[in-house]
Amino acid sequence: GENVEQHPSTLSVQEGDSAVIKCTYSDSASNYFPWYKQELGKRPQLIIDIRSNVGEKKDQRIAVTLNKTAKHFSLHITETQPEDSAVYFCAASLGGTYKYIFGTGTRLKVLA
Amino acid sequence: DGGITQSPKYLFRKEGQNVTLSCEQNLNHDAMYWYRQDPGQGLRLIYYSQIVNDFQKGDIAEGYSVSREKKESFPLTVTSAQKNPTAFYLCASRMGGGGNEQFFGPGTRLTVL
Repeated sequence: GENVEQHPSTLSVQEGDSAVIKCTYSDSASNYFPWYKQELGKRPQLIIDIRSNVGEKKDQRIAVTLNKTAKHFSLHITETQPEDSAVYFCAASLGGTYKYIFGTGTRLKVLA
Repeated sequence: DGGITQSPKYLFRKEGQNVTLSCEQNLNHDAMYWYRQDPGQGLRLIYYSQIVNDFQKGDIAEGYSVSREKKESFPLTVTSAQKNPTAFYLCASRMGGGGNEQFFGPGTRLTVL
């Protein structure tokens, strides 16, 4: 079946540095790619998303890039802060449907 | 954070018992979803419903059942047929139409004793 691979599984960065999380998807018909942040013991919350007709999207310190040819998309967080520490999940739509396949998550630790 | 609620927050069950997890939303969303979250495995789709009185199996539906009699409610029953039910269960809803974003509830942690 279709899948989404996410790397790395854990990532530690110094406060102020940048963090990059990468995902690869298998379904060439995927057209929607959200990123969720889940703090410890809390619900996942959408932080940014991108559609397949756009190559890059930015929202303050967060950006997502999409390479449809390679079927890769990445989350970029600049000027990291301790409150960025959380688990981040990428997802890809199954074809043009509203079913999403999630990656296995990346635990980001921002060290003060 | 408001709009979609799950209860209870923690649930303990003896082996062989069925248990029902509640999910309610007041966002007037058409679609609702149930996911299971296990350590290191991300979120896996159990069941989803696009409209009232209709639902489809996700990737790991075996041992689970749902109903969608009201737009606001999408309860999940974990049956005794589910081999390894201990997990964190998340419910989500989506507006419908062209809206993509799924909004998650706070989750229910189920432990089988």
